[in-house]
Amino acid sequence: GQNIDQPTEMTATEGAIVQINCTYQTSGFNGLFWYQQHAGEAPTFLSYNVLDGLEEKGRFSSFLSRSKGYSYLLLKELQMKDSASYLCAVSQANQAGTALIFGKGTTLSVSS
Amino acid sequence: GAVVSQHPSWVICKSGTSVKIECRSLDFQATTMFWYRQFPKQSLMLMATSNEGSKATYEQGVEKDKFLINHASLTLSTLTVTSAHPEDSSFYICSARDLQLPYNEQFFGPGTRLTVL
Repeated sequence: GQNIDQPTEMTATEGAIVQINCTYQTSGFNGLFWYQQHAGEAPTFLSYNVLDGLEEKGRFSSFLSRSKGYSYLLLKELQMKDSASYLCAVSQANQAGTALIFGKGTTLSVSS
Repeated sequence: GAVVSQHPSWVICKSGTSVKIECRSLDFQATTMFWYRQFPKQSLMLMATSNEGSKATYEQGVEKDKFLINHASLTLSTLTVTSAHPEDSSFYICSARDLQLPYNEQFFGPGTRLTVL
């Protein structure tokens, strides 16, 4: 089976740093994605990890440990506009090719 | 960047009617498109994977006769919700994969909000 866990909600203040964790158990692992989704909108791509280690992109960084089935998304210098849902998604092989399996998302609220 | 459009953005229909949702990749060819459903405050649930020119592969628990998927070209996939009922009210999102990219990134459409009365 497949299982992706991430916290339901997190809160932080402007300028702070927040880390959103994601653990997964899945077969046919082809990489892990992080997406940002504002209410009523489609997800937008943030990062992709397929090898162990840290990927940095501006204020956002993502880390992956394949042996531990663990990833985190690190958001620095938080801004109000970062208030959104953050989705961890695992790319895995299925009978149709590959597909993204999403976690339930972490709703981040940034306050001033 | 890769752009995916969906039409309509929102639709309200009566129970028992059918609704068609279009998903288009505007500036790339997408041999594979995906259809997701998202209920309020929940994550995206994959409904089916659609490969151009072949039948869609449905996830467990998704009725293929109720959710008809057609992927007739490299830039267009359609989802038809047949005999819609109020419990089908949801946010439907499509995505497309650009095979030119070195990894399996999916680009998402803006979503279609379906309300069945």
